[in-house]
Amino acid sequence: DTTVKQNPRYKLARVGKPVNLICSQTMNHDTMYWYQKKPNQAPKLLLFYYDKILNREADTFEKFQSSRPNNSFCSLYIGSAGLEYSAMYLCASSKRTINQDTQYFGPGTRLLVL
Amino acid sequence: GDSVTQTEGPVTVSESESLIINCTYSATSIAYPNLFWYVRYPGEGLQLLLKVITAGQKGSSRGFEATYNKETTSFHLQKASVQESDSAVYYCALGESNYNVLYFGSGTKLTVEP
Repeated sequence: DTTVKQNPRYKLARVGKPVNLICSQTMNHDTMYWYQKKPNQAPKLLLFYYDKILNREADTFEKFQSSRPNNSFCSLYIGSAGLEYSAMYLCASSKRTINQDTQYFGPGTRLLVL
Repeated sequence: GDSVTQTEGPVTVSESESLIINCTYSATSIAYPNLFWYVRYPGEGLQLLLKVITAGQKGSSRGFEATYNKETTSFHLQKASVQESDSAVYYCALGESNYNVLYFGSGTKLTVEP
């Protein structure tokens, strides 16, 4: 099974409220990623977990949190949502190899902040 | 920084016509970048179309081809004869091998008309 699951598929949030998005995979991949995708823009890497080590991109360091309680699950947490957080959030996973293995993507969670 | 620029869409072609989607990259922090094409079919998640990890090599899948050209820093996607089922959004991506991190272009929406 090469499926990456994301929940929920759609999320409506109010400005200033927290948002928690969930991702899971059963491929025993050691690395899980979160991307933000806005219309007509490239998917932008927010952060990734290699095993239990969290790596966050410098320009989104303070805006997003994440946790990985076990190998299969990874969450993306927004403490206080702003209008600019409205986007599609893509989760992906892969196994770290010498020749850069494929990333497997979930269907995405569409977040709308009002 | 590391970035990818690709043909702006949308692109519309007729079935059985040839196709080229341009992609150029800039890899300033990645010593040996890997190059990818990902595709998102309607209603589906992002999935790998093809990848090339060695400069000068060609990757192919589903009738699509792309050659890793280090001299021109390009990785154009080509197909000799497109089909309606090729209608999708195509993303060029630059990758680094250490943690399989990907940097995407903004995507090219392709519509193939019957």
